[in-house]
Amino acid sequence: KAGVTQTPRYLIKTRGQQVTLSCSPISGHRSVSWYQQTPGQGLQFLFEYFSETQRNKGNFPGRFSGRQFSNSRSEMNVSTLELGDSALYLCASSPHDLSEIVLWNEQFFGPGTRLTVL
Amino acid sequence: AQSVSQHNHHVILSEAASLELGCNYSYGGTVNLFWYVQYPGQHLQLLLKYFSGDPLVKGIKGFEAEFIKSKFSFNLRKPSVQWSDTAEYFCAVRGGSQGNLIFGKGTKLSVKP
Repeated sequence: KAGVTQTPRYLIKTRGQQVTLSCSPISGHRSVSWYQQTPGQGLQFLFEYFSETQRNKGNFPGRFSGRQFSNSRSEMNVSTLELGDSALYLCASSPHDLSEIVLWNEQFFGPGTRLTVL
Repeated sequence: AQSVSQHNHHVILSEAASLELGCNYSYGGTVNLFWYVQYPGQHLQLLLKYFSGDPLVKGIKGFEAEFIKSKFSFNLRKPSVQWSDTAEYFCAVRGGSQGNLIFGKGTKLSVKP
């Protein structure tokens, strides 16, 4: 089974631009979550989508948004980029809605998209 | 709010030394606990997880962790590390109805051959 894939792997943008990142979950997985990883803040939860609905959102400004398509693929968008948005953006998929706290509901992470904002 | 603390930012060990990485969390209810590893240039992988039952959990590559509820801790251990264990290790907790993972800031482990 193919793992979680993320495109692009690397991206360089300038302040004020907007960016869209893409995530394809493992086949059959319906939940997709996004995390931001930075050296200073570590891994922080952005949002989770399940069956095309945003189920949960972290503490990030409205410039960060996402969506999920009917095939479970997900995109996240960051508008009006700031220098502080430079980070590794990780996508994770799991078989079920994250609120289902069951043993087999593990999150599988993709390789990430490295975003650099100049 | 839930939070996770990892005590050590960077640990340097020689091969065959024993490893213990500390992890404490703050959450009063039922939690699920995880340790993830990120090898250089690779994506996050699950080492082990605790949901319920035996508080001593065994994971991949000889790692284990012990859940001590009274101390809100979930420390990671390995009796004898190898150079290939060089990586960054993240403790994570999931609790409540939301389900997303709350991560600690990670511990970098460097193993000298």
